[in-house]
Parts: sequence; C-alpha cells; structure tokens
Amino acid sequence: GQSLEQPSEVTAVEGAIVQINCTYQTSGFYGLSWYQQHDGGAPTFLSYNALDGLEETGRFSSFLSRSDSYGYLLLQELQMKDSASYFCAVRVLTGGGNKLTFGTGTQLKVEL
Amino acid sequence: DTEVTQTPKHLVMGMTNKKSLKCEQHMGHRAMYWYKQKAKKPPELMFVYSYEKLSINESVPSRFSPECPNSSLLNLHLHALQPEDSALYLCASSQDTSGSGNEQFFGPGTRLTVL
Repeated sequence: GQSLEQPSEVTAVEGAIVQINCTYQTSGFYGLSWYQQHDGGAPTFLSYNALDGLEETGRFSSFLSRSDSYGYLLLQELQMKDSASYFCAVRVLTGGGNKLTFGTGTQLKVEL
Repeated sequence: DTEVTQTPKHLVMGMTNKKSLKCEQHMGHRAMYWYKQKAKKPPELMFVYSYEKLSINESVPSRFSPECPNSSLLNLHLHALQPEDSALYLCASSQDTSGSGNEQFFGPGTRLTVL
C-alpha cells in the first residue's frame, strides 16, 4: 500500500512564504502531484514532479527527492485566496495503469 | 473546454432507493475516475476507467456499480446504500492512465446524503 504524511495545519500571513512538506512510502512510485481544494470546491491540479528537483509555476513551486521519498510545495507571496487544503498525491503504476493516492491534506490559513 | 460536469449537485436518498450519479467531459480524455471524499479527508479512489473499460476497482462494495457508456460519460449507480456512504463523490478525467498527461481534472462533485 501507500502512505503519505503531511502537516495537518499551517498558518501564515499574507505576503509570506510557506512550505508544505510531504513524505511518502509506496511501491511503484511514478511521481508526486499537488492539488489545491477550497472548502466546498473540487481539487485542482497545481504541479507534478516525476524527477528530482524543483518545478516552478508562478507563485507555486514543487520539489521532489526520490531518494528521500520527500517532496514539498512552496507558496510565495501568499494571498488570502490561497487559504485552502493542499494535498500531495503519489502517482503509482499498477497492473490497471496509473492511479493517484492522496495524502491526508494540509489546511493552510492565510491571515492578514 | 476543460470542464468536468457532474449531476446532480446534491442527492438525498433512502437506504432502499436506487439512484445514479452522472459525469461528463469533452476534453477527449480516455481515463475517467470516481473518488469518494468524506469531510476533512482526502479523496479516495473508487474506480478507474481506461478507454471505456474498468481497469481499477479499489475493492468497492457492490452496492456501487460504475458504468462508462462512452468515452465522454461516466455513471455511478447506487443501490441499497448505508448512511456511512454519505460523502462527496468526485468524478475526474485525465488524458489516459499511461503517465502521459499528468493532470486529473475534477468535477464539482455530488454531495450524497443517505438517510
């Protein structure tokens, strides 16, 4: 099976930088994705890392270290609208194809 | 069009009812998914369809029956559900399940309450 660990809650102020960590244990690892979900909304894709290193998409960056089974999401210039749940998700290869298993999620609260 | 639509938005049903959830996408995606999400929990994968064939069933009870009538549509038939099945049911699609096309697009979900 798979297990993913994330902090349950992170609080930061507007304009700050925050890092959400994710450690995972899985077989058939293919890559690590990050999704954002606002209360009452659908998960939306933020980023994906298949190889070690940093991927940057605007204010959001994601990092992966396959040897450490570790990744993080970095959010810069925080805005109030960034208050949401953030899920890391491992993409694993199975006999039926790729599938995603989500971490427990991190509730990010951005304060003034 | 990068939208996945789901109907109905809300559904209340009794334990003896039969109902269906519907999902549609017009992005030409060949993989479609059903997830279940309880409050304050992550989405949990239920089923994966790849090229209109069921490729993954995550040991879901038979009271949930998926169907993929064509490459754009995905249904979830519900029968004899239990109150603990109350949850948000999310549909998603992606290019395919081979690893190319990394993003899954999620619909807004159907909030199901079983009385």
